[in-house]
Amino acid sequence: QKEVEQNSGPLSVPEGAIASLNCTYSDRVSQSFFWYRQYSGKSPELIMSIYSNGDKEDGRFTAQLNKASQYVSLLIRDSQPSDSATYLCAVCSARQLTFGSGTQLTVLP
Amino acid sequence: KAGVTQTPRYLIKTRGQQVTLSCSPISGHRSVSWYQQTPGQGLQFLFEYFSETQRNKGNFPGRFSGRQFSNSRSEMNVSTLELGDSALYLCASSEGGGSSYEQYFGPGTRLTVT
Repeated sequence: QKEVEQNSGPLSVPEGAIASLNCTYSDRVSQSFFWYRQYSGKSPELIMSIYSNGDKEDGRFTAQLNKASQYVSLLIRDSQPSDSATYLCAVCSARQLTFGSGTQLTVLP
Repeated sequence: KAGVTQTPRYLIKTRGQQVTLSCSPISGHRSVSWYQQTPGQGLQFLFEYFSETQRNKGNFPGRFSGRQFSNSRSEMNVSTLELGDSALYLCASSEGGGSSYEQYFGPGTRLTVT
């Protein structure tokens, strides 16, 4: 059974700090990796995708992938209160996404 | 481009009834996936349709079914509703081809079974 594990949180960081979110996955043949942000009462929003080992940066967000360790992470620099949400890690293999249970992030003003 | 739309947004049904939910994907997207989200189980994959064919299926009972039309719009049906079917039902659209497989979610349908 494919599993995606995220640090359960909740995670609190002060405004301006770096928030670090982690995810591990069990299926070694996974090909694509995604981070979604979900505000309370809303649907998930795709914020990052990464397909090869290394770092991918987009604005204040950096996704990191290490396929050998089966590990994906998301760093949010200069965290803002508006970043407070649940972050979902999703792993794709055989065209099917498996989601982690999410990490709730709170950015304190 | 318009995003993914789902109708209805909210639904209240009685145990034993059936329900049909609708999803219109982003223009040009040919794949529609359906998910159930509950506080206890998180986001769980139901099934995926691509070019009117079910391409993937999750571990849900046969009461959950779906279909896709030639314009890529999709419907999901749940028969003989149970209290445990109360959830947020999300559809997600993607281009369906290639290797990227980015999925974009609609706003969801909140189903309450009483």
